[in-house]
Parts: sequence; C-alpha cells; structure tokens
Amino acid sequence: VVLTQSPGTLSLSPGERATLSCRASQTIAGSYLAWYQQKPGQAPRLLIYGASTRATGVTDRFSGSGSGTDFTLTISRLEPEDFAVYYCQHYVTSPYTFGQGTKLEIK
Amino acid sequence: QVQLVESGGGVVQPGGSLRLSCSASGFTFSNYDMHWVRQAPGKGLQWVAYIKFDGSKKDFADSVRGRFTVSRDNSKNILYLEMSSLRRDDTAMFYCVKVGGLGSFHVWGQGTLVTVSP
Repeated sequence: VVLTQSPGTLSLSPGERATLSCRASQTIAGSYLAWYQQKPGQAPRLLIYGASTRATGVTDRFSGSGSGTDFTLTISRLEPEDFAVYYCQHYVTSPYTFGQGTKLEIK
Repeated sequence: QVQLVESGGGVVQPGGSLRLSCSASGFTFSNYDMHWVRQAPGKGLQWVAYIKFDGSKKDFADSVRGRFTVSRDNSKNILYLEMSSLRRDDTAMFYCVKVGGLGSFHVWGQGTLVTVSP
C-alpha cells in the first residue's frame, strides 16, 4: 500500500484550522490507519489510531476521519507546539508503510 | 511509565555488522509485539522489522530481509536487531516501537543512530 500525503508543506498561523490528507493506493481494511507527529530531534508520537481514535493524552484539538482510501487529520485551532511533521501509516499487514509526511509550518 | 531505550548504534564500515538493543520498562514486555523503524537523515519513516510477543513470528522489510534479524529476550526485557552486510543506505536513526491498540505503533524509543561509512 502506497500512502500519499498532501500537501507536502502547509503554512498556517496559530489559531487557524489545519487539514492534512492521506490517500492510500488501495483500501485499508478495518481503518488500520494511524497518524504520528514528529518534532525536530524527537521520536514520532502516536496521535490517532483506527483512523479516528485519539491516543492517550492527545488533546481533542486533534481529530482523525476517513475510511477506505481517503483519510484526514484535522487540527482545530493551531497552537505553537503543533508545528511539526505529520505522518500517516497503515498497519494492516506488512510492509507497514508510512506516508512521506506533511510539514506544518508557521506562516 | 512505559520506556524504551535503544543502544548499540555507531559508525560501521560498509559490509560490517552491528547489534542494536532496546531495553524496555514500565510494562509487561513479554505481552507485546514489537517493531523496529528507521529514519534516514532528513527523510521519512521506514518500517524495518516486526517480532511477535513470544518471538514465534518475525517479518522484515524487503530492503533488509536476509541481512537483518530480530530477536527478543523476554526474561531480560530486551529487544534486539542484528544487522549484517550493512550498506551506506542503511544509515539512519533506528527506533524500537511497542505495539498498542489495534496494532498501532504506540510507544517509541528515542532512537539510536547507525552510520555506515568507510
């Protein structure tokens, strides 16, 4: 499964809403789709799994949606700490591929 | 709290070998499947290897199959990645990852850097 994320870079201001897209080359069964956040010099952090379930401790400003081949990560009101790189990933079966990432930068 | 600490990275020549370790704490290690994921400098994430909680099943990315092997010592709470025939394009930060809900990559270690260079 190839995951294509768009846009590659998203420039927004704090307080704005961010919408990140992840499109799969084939249907992801069971919505086994996750989103991760990675800040410079840090390991990735799980945000969303099962396409829409927030991981423990993740603020409700983050929400995931979608099914089949089209998935979205939405950040409702951007805070300064949200500017990072975001990856989607499927974990149905190996190889457990990741998208190429969307860089969310401060405008 | 759940903690994963990788070690064993370093500089190795092309064709060489290296063994990475991941020490787990804060959870019952023997109950959880684990993965290794790598990230080349400035690049994205690439899944490398998987091992079932009891070591009975293993799987590898095509790019490392036959060169890397994964194992675990549940009595010591340690995950291993043995790498051989290393190539320059194996240069990366290697993360060990604990599986979570629905098989997601739940908890990540801080990573250990492997550099393959003459």
